[in-house]
Amino acid sequence: AAGVIQSPRHLIKEKRETATLKCYPIPRHDTVYWYQQGPGQDPQFLISFYEKMQSDKGSIPDRFSAQQFSDYHSELNMSSLELGDSALYFCASSFRGRAETQYFGPGTRLLVL
Amino acid sequence: AQSVTQLGSHVSVSEGALVLLRCNYSSSVPPYLFWYVQYPNQGLQLLLKYTTGATLVKGINGFEAEFKKSETSFHLTKPSAHMSDAAEYFCAVTSDSNYQLIWGAGTKLIIKP
Repeated sequence: AAGVIQSPRHLIKEKRETATLKCYPIPRHDTVYWYQQGPGQDPQFLISFYEKMQSDKGSIPDRFSAQQFSDYHSELNMSSLELGDSALYFCASSFRGRAETQYFGPGTRLLVL
Repeated sequence: AQSVTQLGSHVSVSEGALVLLRCNYSSSVPPYLFWYVQYPNQGLQLLLKYTTGATLVKGINGFEAEFKKSETSFHLTKPSAHMSDAAEYFCAVTSDSNYQLIWGAGTKLIIKP
């Protein structure tokens, strides 16, 4: 079965650079969630989208923005990167009708030097 | 507000022994409860979930968990540990009113030969 796809899988950036992470949900899933997992930490919810509209907002820094496109894929844009942004970024998707179950992608590991 | 507490950041068991990972939650609304597993350098995989109905839920890899409302618990068990079970296990809660997953801090399961 198709799973959530994230790209790139690994990313190395310098401080103050920008990064764009992409997420392709499971087919027919209309809701996307973004999480950040720091080293040794539990995942922290950043933001979610349902039907291309922001549905919930968590601890997403103002330097970050995200959107969901007409094909339901989502992009997380990160600007003015800081060392502390180094983390594993997960995308999850769900179908609104069964929104309680989120299926996670493999994550993008971002390293800021 | 919802929260999740996982007792023990590390749990060590011998191969073949019972695995018990503890999770307690707090929620003012009927919860949906999940266990996810994260293998080293990999994404989050759904192990099992409780939404409604039978309180004993079975998941993949021989794991099961029981929702006990009176104890606000959702402990994860497996009768006999395998070396391949070594991973980090996260308990999470959400609900119909808020699909944002709230995570426990994670428990690292160590299997001794």
